[in-house]
Amino acid sequence: AQSVTQPDIHITVSEGASLELRCNYSYGATPYLFWYVQSPGQGLQLLLKYFSGDTLVQGIKGFEAEFKRSQSSFNLRKPSVHWSDAAEYFCAVVGRGGSQGNLIFGKGTKLSVKP
Amino acid sequence: DAGVIQSPRHEVTEMGQEVTLRCKPISGHDYLFWYRQTMMRGLELLIYFNNNVPIDDSGMPEDRFSAKMPNASFSTLKIQPSEPRDSAVYFCASSPSGSHQETQYFGPGTRLLVL
Repeated sequence: AQSVTQPDIHITVSEGASLELRCNYSYGATPYLFWYVQSPGQGLQLLLKYFSGDTLVQGIKGFEAEFKRSQSSFNLRKPSVHWSDAAEYFCAVVGRGGSQGNLIFGKGTKLSVKP
Repeated sequence: DAGVIQSPRHEVTEMGQEVTLRCKPISGHDYLFWYRQTMMRGLELLIYFNNNVPIDDSGMPEDRFSAKMPNASFSTLKIQPSEPRDSAVYFCASSPSGSHQETQYFGPGTRLLVL
């Protein structure tokens, strides 16, 4: 079955430290991949997406993600975390033949930032 | 643009009561999605519309749930009768098209508590 796994439910990092959030997917073929962020009391906002080409994708707010086919992973990274990055992060996938109605989300990783 | 608008932002009701959630998508967007977010199940797609027509309602949990889109600028999600297990955050999202390459824009959500 198609699934998205975010193994870390909650991560705490210090402000200025680097960040990596993990995402693994299970799919019949390489899907399209997305990262969304949800700030407290807000809806989800798209950070970045991967369809093809360069496996290192740049997004908004200084985030990037790297697609690794061999590991079925699409990890999100940021070199230096800011206090405003505290939020919940969701990885999502959709099949290449599918529409947006088939988006599958992971359970999310909550990021806390220490001063 | 004002973005996707949802109302109410918070709803507290008693078991057995009818609940109606409302959504105004971004003007010009042809696709509208209703999601439910819970701790246990994460973010789930309930139903989505294209040009006001329901395309896939397979995510609607049971007959107590119904959704309508009478025009391009308004959609409702109704629960009748409501049950405590319906307590969740309900998101509406809209998109210019159904292509998986298109970004979904989320509203702030309605936090529903059924006592």
